[in-house]
Amino acid sequence: DADVTQTPRNRITKTGKRIMLECSQTKGHDRMYWYRQDPGLGLRLIYYSFDVKDINKGEISDGYSVSRQAQAKFSLSLESAIPNQTALYFCATSDPILAGNPNEQFFGPGTRLTVL
Amino acid sequence: QKEVEQDPGPLSVPEGAIVSLNCTYSNSAFQYFMWYRQYSRKGPELLMYTYSSGNKEDGRFTAQVDKSSKYISLFIRDSQPSDSATYLCASVSSGSARQLTFGSGTQLTVLP
Repeated sequence: DADVTQTPRNRITKTGKRIMLECSQTKGHDRMYWYRQDPGLGLRLIYYSFDVKDINKGEISDGYSVSRQAQAKFSLSLESAIPNQTALYFCATSDPILAGNPNEQFFGPGTRLTVL
Repeated sequence: QKEVEQDPGPLSVPEGAIVSLNCTYSNSAFQYFMWYRQYSRKGPELLMYTYSSGNKEDGRFTAQVDKSSKYISLFIRDSQPSDSATYLCASVSSGSARQLTFGSGTQLTVLP
C-alpha cells in the first residue's frame, strides 16, 4: 500500500464550487504539506503543518484553506474554485528535522484538478 | 526573480548519452541541495542531495554544487530510457523549518 495517498486522483469542477482534496499517510510523520504544480512554475507551497495544532501559510495560500484532522490526515479546501486553480496538487510528509537531515519530503501521487 | 531557476528543457538524448541538468539559486542561506525525480503521473521522489559545496556520486548519478557561483548540477552517465522523467532541483534553508524551494523542472527523454 502507498505510504501517502490522495483522493480524488482526478476532479473536474465548475467555477464557484467548494472542493476538498484529502491526504492520508501511514508513514507516521508529523509534518505535512500541500503543493501545487503548474507547467513552467514547478512546485509551490500552499500550506504546511508541523503537527495537529500547527498550521502555516505557504507561498500561495490565498483562495485555499486546510484542516489537519489527525496526525495522518491533512485536507486542502478551495472555498470557491476559480479556473486559475486548475493544477496538479500534491500532498507531502516529512520527519521532524534532525541534524544532518535535509527535510526529505515524501509525496503522494497527486490530484489533477480542473476548474471550468 | 525566482530563488531557484532551472533550465526548462525539454531535453531529448539518445540512450547512453551523458546528461547534464542545471539550476541556479539566489539565496545564500541555502545549505542543502536536492534532486527529485518525477515520473509521469507520479509524485516526486528524492534522488539524491548534497550539503554545501562539492560532489556526491550515486551509481550513474552525480550531484554537484558550486556555492561560489550558486550553481547546482546533476549528471547522468550512460543514460537509460528508464531515466526518462522530470527532474526537479530544490534548495533548502538551514533554519529549523527547512523549507524546500523548487526549480520549475526539466523534462528528460532518453531515446532507445
